[in-house]
Amino acid sequence: AQSVTQLDSQVPVFEEAPVELRCNYSSSVSVYLFWYVQYPNQGLQLLLKYLSGSTLVKGINGFEAEFNKSQTSFHLRKPSVHISDTAEYFCAVSVPNAGNNRKLIWGLGTSLAVNP
Amino acid sequence: NAGVTQTPKFRVLKTGQSMTLLCAQDMNHEYMYWYRQDPGMGLRLIHYSVGEGTTAKGEVPDGYNVSRLKKQNFLLGLESAAPSQTSVYFCASSWPAGDPAYEQYFGPGTRLTVT
Repeated sequence: AQSVTQLDSQVPVFEEAPVELRCNYSSSVSVYLFWYVQYPNQGLQLLLKYLSGSTLVKGINGFEAEFNKSQTSFHLRKPSVHISDTAEYFCAVSVPNAGNNRKLIWGLGTSLAVNP
Repeated sequence: NAGVTQTPKFRVLKTGQSMTLLCAQDMNHEYMYWYRQDPGMGLRLIHYSVGEGTTAKGEVPDGYNVSRLKKQNFLLGLESAAPSQTSVYFCASSWPAGDPAYEQYFGPGTRLTVT
């Protein structure tokens, strides 16, 4: 079965420190990969996505992620976090579905808390 | 562009009452989705639509109905609310899933409490 595992439910970090949020997926077919961010009391917005090409993807707010096909991972990184990065981060994988459609499989989220 | 909007933002219902949540998008997207978000459970897909006049069940459809009479609107109905439906509901829209630009755009959410 296809699934997405976010390995850490909570990640506390100090301001200006680097951070890595880990995401692994299981799928035997081609995938598109996404990271979404949800700031407190808001909807989700796209941070970055991997569709094809370079395995290092740069997103908004200084975040980047690397697609590793052999390890089926798509970890999110930022070299220096700010207080404003405090949010919930979701990893999602798009896989083929019935007909000519695809569906998104979501991870359970990682809560990033940036402390001063 | 307003993007994806949801009405209402907050609602409190008594058990057994009914209500409709409205989602509207102005991006001419074909696909629309309703999710619920509960602590520790991530996002779960309730129903979705791949075009005007079509709807399909997602992961947790029981107790909900939907309609897509107009391309820009996607309605989620609760006919007889239960405390288990207390949640935050998100609507999203996207281009067709085969489009390389495929990503979902989310509304701000509706916080529903059923007492």
